[in-house]
Amino acid sequence: QLVQSGGEVKKIGASVKVSCKASGYNFSTYAMTWVRQAPGQGLEWIGWISTYNGNANFAQKFQGRLTMTTDSSTKTAYMELRSLTSDDTAVYYCAREETGRRFDPWGQGTLVTVSS
Amino acid sequence: IQMTQSPSSLSASVGDSVTITCRASQDISRFLHWYQQKPGRPPKLLIYSASGLEGGVPSRFSGSGSGTDFTLTISSLRPDDFATYYCQQYNSYSGYTFGQGTKLEI
Repeated sequence: QLVQSGGEVKKIGASVKVSCKASGYNFSTYAMTWVRQAPGQGLEWIGWISTYNGNANFAQKFQGRLTMTTDSSTKTAYMELRSLTSDDTAVYYCAREETGRRFDPWGQGTLVTVSS
Repeated sequence: IQMTQSPSSLSASVGDSVTITCRASQDISRFLHWYQQKPGRPPKLLIYSASGLEGGVPSRFSGSGSGTDFTLTISSLRPDDFATYYCQQYNSYSGYTFGQGTKLEI
């Protein structure tokens, strides 16, 4: 099970940090991926982090303003996005990456609203 | 890699069978998965690696394909099946991409 932090309202130019707490499995065995969904839109992959060694890979459009970290002691993954614009308003999901590069399960989602 | 999912929307009736397709711009072998999403809910994995049925998913859901062309078929539609469906691919060069989604409506 993946449980995410609550919704956030941020100003343009601010940063947001979303957490994703895992339970019920060996946290360090599976990578964590982050996906977002703007209102009424489709799914967009943001990035991926190894919970084993911290290696991460981000979608090119987020390079330079995205940080992903993990804390094995609390089985929690974090996604921090900086320099927010209104285009970053979306529901952000974490998901466990399984064999074959599939995502299951997913967190419940965290709505991040960016406004002026 | 670009994923082209079609149709973008689909109207059907309970009991019908429907097919959704995803086409990749390059060969992705069988790194293609299908998800169902209902409003206000996270996506749910249905089919993995093109044709594997995720545990707990009814057998009326099936997937096929390899390389660049993939299909999701839902037979004997039930009211609970009306949702939005997404394909997702992985490629070592470009990472992960989702299809644009197919909204299945009554």
